[in-house]
Amino acid sequence: EPEVTQTPSHQVTQMGQEVILRCVPISNHLYFYWYRQILGQKVEFLVSFYNNEISEKSEIFDDQFSVERPDGSNFTLKIRSTKLEDSAMYFCASTPGLAYEQYFGPGTRLTVT
Amino acid sequence: QKEVEQNSGPLSVPEGAIASLNCTYSDRGSQSFFWYRQYSGKSPELIMFIYSNGDKEDGRFTAQLNKASQYVSLLIRDSQPSDSATYLCAPRQRDNYGQNFVFGPGTRLSVLP
Repeated sequence: EPEVTQTPSHQVTQMGQEVILRCVPISNHLYFYWYRQILGQKVEFLVSFYNNEISEKSEIFDDQFSVERPDGSNFTLKIRSTKLEDSAMYFCASTPGLAYEQYFGPGTRLTVT
Repeated sequence: QKEVEQNSGPLSVPEGAIASLNCTYSDRGSQSFFWYRQYSGKSPELIMFIYSNGDKEDGRFTAQLNKASQYVSLLIRDSQPSDSATYLCAPRQRDNYGQNFVFGPGTRLSVLP
């Protein structure tokens, strides 16, 4: 069964460094999302992406964040200058259409020291 | 601000009992309602979704929706220890182009053997 994959599973970085989190959505899906979950807290929406552009973003998704679909298969989330409070689990999700459920990847645990 | 509320729990039920999980939401534009299960350290996985008022059954799970009361619930019959997880309620607004989920904080369910 097709699934969303994410790499790396765990990323440790120092404050101020740039990180790129990678996702490979399910191949025939058209809508892509990033969510984050700080330990012990709820899952929070960051950004949605369709037709090679951002369709919606939350207040969390400030200028430090960017997303890209560089090659038609990968979907990346870049954090330019990480802060301690960026430490969280980051989930990528995709869906074939707006009437369908979102399929989540296994997540990348980002630890900022 | 779209709000989704759930009792954080933990909700403890004995094995074989019915677990009842509740969710209220503030956004009257919400058109579909998804229930996800999340095991500790894992990504959300879809249990079921409901669009119309009333009940929808899928195996041991029944979702109930009352749009007038802005209330959705999930019943788990014959609860098993493997059902122990956090259950996330996620309304979605049809007109939202990005179609992102607004997740509730989740209810932690513990099924006691």
